[in-house]
Amino acid sequence: AQSVTQLDSHVSVSEGTPVLLRCNYSSSYSPSLFWYVQHPNKGLQLLLKYTSAATLVKGINGFEAEFKKSETSFHLTKPSAHMSDAAEYFCVVSDRGGGFKTIFGAGTRLFVKA
Amino acid sequence: KAGVTQTPRYLIKTRGQQVTLSCSPISGHRSVSWYQQTPGQGLQFLFEYFSETQRNKGNFPGRFSGRQFSNSRSEMNVSTLELGDSALYLCASSLRTSGGAWEQFFGPGTRLTVL
Repeated sequence: AQSVTQLDSHVSVSEGTPVLLRCNYSSSYSPSLFWYVQHPNKGLQLLLKYTSAATLVKGINGFEAEFKKSETSFHLTKPSAHMSDAAEYFCVVSDRGGGFKTIFGAGTRLFVKA
Repeated sequence: KAGVTQTPRYLIKTRGQQVTLSCSPISGHRSVSWYQQTPGQGLQFLFEYFSETQRNKGNFPGRFSGRQFSNSRSEMNVSTLELGDSALYLCASSLRTSGGAWEQFFGPGTRLTVL
């Protein structure tokens, strides 16, 4: 069975400081992992994806994430936060073992202070 | 390429009514999934259609149903609406990548309010 846990419901950073959004997962099969961002009253936009190639994945807007199998983690980072990064972020696991099933984390709301 | 479109964007209904939401996937995508997003429950998977067949289903009551047409467009229907059905309904079309993963592309959503 799959599951995904976003360890923080809210994260607050100052503009220009690093961002770390934490995600742990469990999956019976080799998982595909994604991070999506959702700005208020908008749909979800894909930030980056891990699909069993390189473990360090670079995404849009300066975000990156590292797949660590031993720790079952897929944390999202950005070296320097920008005001426009304020949004909700979702970690997602997709099971390729049998059929199509996607589990979303509960989301982490990122606040960026000026 | 045009993105995923959902119509209508906003909808207000009363309890007991039924509603139909529409989703047009990205051209060439054969998989369409539906999600319900609420502040209390977060994002929950409703169902997924692939080539006109329901392939996966989440844990929602039978009042929630869907279908997919031969052009991959999908509709979702909710009958006998309840106040708790008020939510943002998101549609995603998917494409299988070379790595075997299904990458999802989301529409802007339909905001349903039940009074």
